Amino acid sequence: DGGITQSPKYLFRKEGQNVTLSCEQNLNHDAMYWYRQDPGQGLRLIYYSQIVNDFQKGDIAEGYSVSREKKESFPLTVTSAQKNPTAFYLCASSAGTSIHEQYFGPGTRLTVT
Amino acid sequence: AQSVAQPEDQVNVAEGNPLTVKCTYSVSGNPYLFWYVQYPNRGLQFLLKYITGDNLVKGSYGFEAEFNKSQTSFHLKKPSALVSDSALYFCAVRANTGGFKTIFGAGTRLFVKA
Repeated sequence: DGGITQSPKYLFRKEGQNVTLSCEQNLNHDAMYWYRQDPGQGLRLIYYSQIVNDFQKGDIAEGYSVSREKKESFPLTVTSAQKNPTAFYLCASSAGTSIHEQYFGPGTRLTVT
Repeated sequence: AQSVAQPEDQVNVAEGNPLTVKCTYSVSGNPYLFWYVQYPNRGLQFLLKYITGDNLVKGSYGFEAEFNKSQTSFHLKKPSALVSDSALYFCAVRANTGGFKTIFGAGTRLFVKA
């Protein structure tokens, strides 16, 4: 899983509560990403950041928010506005733009009841 | 629009036999293509990529992939499968026209039987 850590591994929340997932990398990568993984649907991009203090919405940003105050950190907040938040969340980073592969963290499995 | 198709949800192969996991793509401009592997409850691990040059790309753990521009395919192959290769495999594409967005296929589950 490279130099990317995600915490916690498992997270349980009640419906209506916001929750923040942590992602830290020590690879000195400029770009960071958040994906959501659901069975049979591959990975869907939530948000990505190319540089500190800048981030862009992905395909399914509604109900999520992020910040990028430090190069090493890209936390994701799942808000109560997200209709179906139970999923496996993956954070990734890459060295730069198009040609560089992504390095993934171990993931956080969020269950909302 | 970019897209990736992995036409097989599951591939079954006997240990020692060659394996192929299929991937086709659609992208504007020239593609950058990637294969990743995911073991249960883990993040994805990078296997190999095609950027330019030789159509046959070699990667980690004995895997290779062949880029075929006319068929818009990037199939993953291994000459001799191991039980430990059993995992979920993702093909991904990114256009060389700029931007960070990578499109992932839905994944193909590989079962290697001893």
